[in-house]
Formats: sequence, structure tokens, C-alpha cells
Amino acid sequence: DAGITQSPRHKVTETGTPVTLRCHQTENHRYMYWYRQDPGHGLRLIHYSYGVKDTDKGEVSDGYSVSRSKTEDFLLTLESATSSQTSVYFCAINTANDYGYTFGSGTRLTVV
Amino acid sequence: KNEVEQSPQNLTAQEGEFITINCSYSVGISALHWLQQHPGGGIVSLFMLSSGKKKHGRLIATINIQEKHSSLHITASHPRDSAVYICAVVPNTGNQFYFGTGTSLTVIP
Repeated sequence: DAGITQSPRHKVTETGTPVTLRCHQTENHRYMYWYRQDPGHGLRLIHYSYGVKDTDKGEVSDGYSVSRSKTEDFLLTLESATSSQTSVYFCAINTANDYGYTFGSGTRLTVV
Repeated sequence: KNEVEQSPQNLTAQEGEFITINCSYSVGISALHWLQQHPGGGIVSLFMLSSGKKKHGRLIATINIQEKHSSLHITASHPRDSAVYICAVVPNTGNQFYFGTGTSLTVIP
């Protein structure tokens, strides 16, 4: 999507291994978000960032950490992946334009 | 308790029909968004509203701030409109979304 890239798009990992998902933006926006999407729960906020090194927790932050050392990159880390973290993960940026937000294409993570 | 309620949960329509999806919310908001997600696909922001009405092509979104209600209308529906439509609000107290659970729309040719 315009200005935002998620990587990887798909990942299968084993329980107990660390996993890092990357969200990269090219447009220098201040606010970035990580969501997970699960059947029956819809989209839920994991963490968000309001600037370099400024992050805060969302409603489902347990088991996740984030880092933002540069404006353009927002990393989501699962320190020790569990099967309950199998999900589709979306990154979003607040573009403050007419549409408000742009979402990444998603990362489908499977923990086996 | 969900701060955002959408109806209906599922909707099937014949091609060409006029479609309405409703969203009610319980908190004071700074903006309301309508999002579209095709099966297996990414999420696209269709509208951001803080008052009144917006139109993009065959899609129209309205909001009534006093009644805490928004509607998304699709005129002359087409099978490519088949998707999940999600209502999301940004509360006055923060910059995060509260999401509805989505309306799954299927348009039959």
C-alpha cells in the first residue's frame, strides 16, 4: 500500500522461538500501530508509537514488545511465540489526510 | 461491552441493490472511519468522518454526532463490493481505534 510495507508477509515458526515483524513507512508519519486480527475478535490494538522511542501498550500487549528507533520503522517482537499468537498482524499509520489511516498488507503468522 | 456496534453482521444482496450498513457507538469521538477488507486481503480506509456526509463514487457515508450513529451506503451494488466493512471510531480521549466487529457483505450477480 501507499507508503507502508510489512515484512514478512507470511511466517511459520515454532513455539518458544522469537519472532520480529517489521513495519516500514516512507512518509515520516508520527503515529504507527500494530494490530492483530482474529476470527470472532476483529482487530485489536497490540502497541502503538507516537514518535521515536515513544511507545504505549494497547489492549492485547501481553507477550509482545515493540521498538521504534527510527521514524520509518516500527518493530513488533514476540519474545517467545505461543500458539495463541497465531494471527494476522496489521501495521497502520495515521496519515492525517482525508482517509486518516493507511494499513499495511498484513503478516500471517502461524506458530506451530 | 463493545463501544462500537455494527448491523447487520452479515448481508447478502443481489447485484444492483442499494445497501445500508449501520454503526452505533457509545463514546464521544473525534472521528469515525469506514474500512473495507476483501477476503484474504488488506484493509483499506474508505472514509474518515467527523460530521455530515461524504461520497466517493457509489459509496456514501453519513454521520449523526448527536445520535452517535453512522451509515455506509452502497448504490448499485456489484459483486466486487463483496467484502467485510468495518466501522472504527477514534475517541475524544485518545488516538486509538475502537473497532466494530464488521459486516460481511456478499453481492450475488
